[in-house]
Order: sequence, then structure tokens, then C-alpha cells
Amino acid sequence: GESVGLHLPTLSVQEGDNSIINCAYSNSASDYFIWYKQESGKGPQFIIDIRSNMDKRQGQRVTVLLNKTVKHLSLQIAATQPGDSAVYFCAETVLGNTGFQKLVFGTGTRLLVSP
Amino acid sequence: EAQVTQNPRYLITVTGKKLTVTCSQNMNHEYMSWYRQDPGLGLRQIYYSMNVEVTDKGDVPEGYKVSRKEKRNFPLILESPSPNQTSLYFCASRQGAGEQFFGPGTRLTVL
Repeated sequence: GESVGLHLPTLSVQEGDNSIINCAYSNSASDYFIWYKQESGKGPQFIIDIRSNMDKRQGQRVTVLLNKTVKHLSLQIAATQPGDSAVYFCAETVLGNTGFQKLVFGTGTRLLVSP
Repeated sequence: EAQVTQNPRYLITVTGKKLTVTCSQNMNHEYMSWYRQDPGLGLRQIYYSMNVEVTDKGDVPEGYKVSRKEKRNFPLILESPSPNQTSLYFCASRQGAGEQFFGPGTRLTVL
């Protein structure tokens, strides 16, 4: 079946370090991927997305890498700050039964940033 | 401000007592959905709606109902709540393949 998973459930880093959060997906037909950040007590918030015709996309302090050969997605956060502490989810779009694309989420990785 | 709102934010109820969690978005989005979030399971889709009067089951629809009579509202209905529906619920909306916006969440406890 479809699945989106994460290699590390918890990642602890020091402030100023670079963080890398990984994600494996199983649906080779997926063509759109998103990273979400969820802070405690809040809903998931969009960070960055990437389409399958790209292998890298950069935002402000964040970079998403896509390796379609091994079905792997990663989120890199540069100069991690305490405010980056949150749970990060990857998600892929898959075709639902009615032909409409839906999001399938991974189980999440908790990022802990120490000052 | 573009947003998705949910009410109530917290709810404690008893088994079998019908409840409704409201969801509203002000972005004129066609697509809305409901998710539940449980520890270790991530976000799982309950129901979704592609437009007014068009709804379909997600991955975990049992025990839930939805309606989409207006574009902005997408209430989640639990006709007879059970303890296994204790969870954190999120409503979300998006336009086409664009960014999906989530509400702040509703924490439901069924005793």
C-alpha cells in the first residue's frame, strides 16, 4: 500500500548547526511533495514543496532534495534556531479512488534545537 | 487574514452523544478535508470534499459524517462518538494542487 515514512523519529541538534530530516516514500507515481512544520498546539504549516521534475528546491534557510531513483526526500535547515523546534512531516500526493489527488503524510520527525 | 477556523478547539464528551466540529475557510477554496492525528500514526484523512455537495471517504471514514452545503464550511459529524475517536482533528483547505492550509486543531476526548 501507499506509505510515507521517516528514518529518524527524533533529531537533536545544537543551535547554529545544519539539520537534515529524511523521508522515504513508496509511490513512484507521486509527482508532488511537501514538507510541513507543526509546532506544539498548532496545525501543520507549509514549509516548502517540490515537484517530481526537480531534484532540488531552495527557500529561506530550507532546501528540499528529491531523489526519485531511491524514492527519498530530505529537508535541510541551515543554521538551525530554537524556533525551528517542531515536528516535521513530509507528504506526497497520490491519486485517490475518485481520480482526485490527495496528500499522504508521514508519521513525523521531532526536531529539538538546543541553545 | 486567510485562514481555516475550527470550533470547538477542545471538547470532552461521553460515548454516544452526537457532536459536530465546525470548519470554515475564507479563501474560497474548493477542496477541503478532515484529518485525525494520533501518536505514531501521523495525519490520516477522514473525509474530503472537492466542491459543494461533492464529498468522499478518506482513509479512516468509519464513525464520521461530513456535509458541504456551502463552499466555506465543512463540518465533521460524529453521530455516536466512541472512545477510539479520541484524537486531535484538523480541517484543511486548498485550491487545486496549491498549498494546503490547516486549521488550529480540535482536541476531542470521548469518555
